[in-house]
Amino acid sequence: EVQLVQSGAEVKKPGESLKISCKGSGYSFTNYWIGWVRQMPGKGLEWMGIIYPGDSKTRYSPSLQGQVTISADKSITTAYLQWNSLRASDTAMYYCARPYPCGGDCYYFDYWGQGTLVTVSS
Amino acid sequence: DIQMTQSPSSLSASVGDRVTITCRASQSISYYLHWYQQRPGKAPKLLIYAASSLQSGVPSRFSGSGSGTDFTLTISSLQPEDFATYYCQQSYSTPPYTFGQGTKLEIK
Repeated sequence: EVQLVQSGAEVKKPGESLKISCKGSGYSFTNYWIGWVRQMPGKGLEWMGIIYPGDSKTRYSPSLQGQVTISADKSITTAYLQWNSLRASDTAMYYCARPYPCGGDCYYFDYWGQGTLVTVSS
Repeated sequence: DIQMTQSPSSLSASVGDRVTITCRASQSISYYLHWYQQRPGKAPKLLIYAASSLQSGVPSRFSGSGSGTDFTLTISSLQPEDFATYYCQQSYSTPPYTFGQGTKLEIK
């Protein structure tokens, strides 16, 4: 059974760093992209970026490039989303999800993590 | 980036109603359009992929259609568990694979 299990909720202050995780199991972790989706309070879903754990190739949303870093450790089948300096506007629920190929450049998120709530407040 | 626009943004309907939600892309995205359902406090769930393919385990009252720039999600007979927010997402060409703003389906 495919599972994506995320790390727990975090409460941080502005300017602090943070790394949240998403552990994949039940499938070949290095053969599928894994992505991150942001949902700010009361708002919709925002595609952030993806990583291919097999070679660590990444793709970011232009609006978020430079603000976050996506990485993966294939030895422990875990993907990460990292901030060096958090802002209050980073307060959101963050989901990891697996993009599954449906032909050509077609990908859909077939499995999702349970979400990690990040709260940034002074 | 490709912009995705859903309509309506919210919708009130009754159990048993037939409901249609529309998603329009800012440019042609072929059939690379997917639909998700999100219930309050839960992660999104895939319903339809590649415009019209029903994800395994999803009830057959859900269906999708369209290609190019215009797509629809139809629920043939609303059930109580269908009241949720629905999102479309495109995955055409290079990322970002943007989502629509969502359609909140509420009980009338």
